Amino acid sequence: GAGVSQTPSNKVTEKGKYVELRCDPISGHTALYWYRQSLGQGPEFLIYFQGTGAADDSGLPNDRFFAVRPEGSVSTLKIQRTERGDSAVYLCASSLGTSNMNEQFFGPGTRLTVL
Amino acid sequence: TQLLEQSPQFLSIQEGENLTVYCNSSSVFSSLQWYRQEPGEGPVLLVTVVTGGEVKKLKRLTFQFGDARKDSSLHITAAQPGDTGLYLCAGGSGYSTLTFGKGTMLLVSP
Repeated sequence: GAGVSQTPSNKVTEKGKYVELRCDPISGHTALYWYRQSLGQGPEFLIYFQGTGAADDSGLPNDRFFAVRPEGSVSTLKIQRTERGDSAVYLCASSLGTSNMNEQFFGPGTRLTVL
Repeated sequence: TQLLEQSPQFLSIQEGENLTVYCNSSSVFSSLQWYRQEPGEGPVLLVTVVTGGEVKKLKRLTFQFGDARKDSSLHITAAQPGDTGLYLCAGGSGYSTLTFGKGTMLLVSP
């Protein structure tokens, strides 16, 4: 079966532009997570969905970041007015349930570069 | 804020050597996970430990969770070039949010 997929794999944009990053979770996984990984760092939690609703968005750095999951499957992370400091790999993960005992399956990430 | 400190940050060894990497925190976690990440890929779960003092073995890898559930170690016996990668520990508390350490980059040379 297919794993978590993310598109695009690479995105280069200019400072101030708007970007959308897409995540297709494993079919049937109700929980979906977004993380950001900067060079030399571990993944940093951004937001977590249970179904269609954002159960915890405490990791979003500011109001330029927003994520949706309208049908409880595909999710889009949206970044407005991008800044150079937003450059990182954005990882998406999905899991069957909400317990931290449930394995999170990660996608390959989208590498965002803001020039 | 819960923080996980991993050491060493970087480890370069020869094939056949043994090694141990550490994950330490001042906070108690309900579970501790170890992941391995290769370049251009997302992390892949290796093991989850939940009980203080728990030891789990996965072939040549041995994972231990500290008695107080604040620290963990990963020991690799007879390392192979295929073990090369970034090893991440992640602590879980309550529901699903994970706190990751910065990772240990392991390079095993033939």
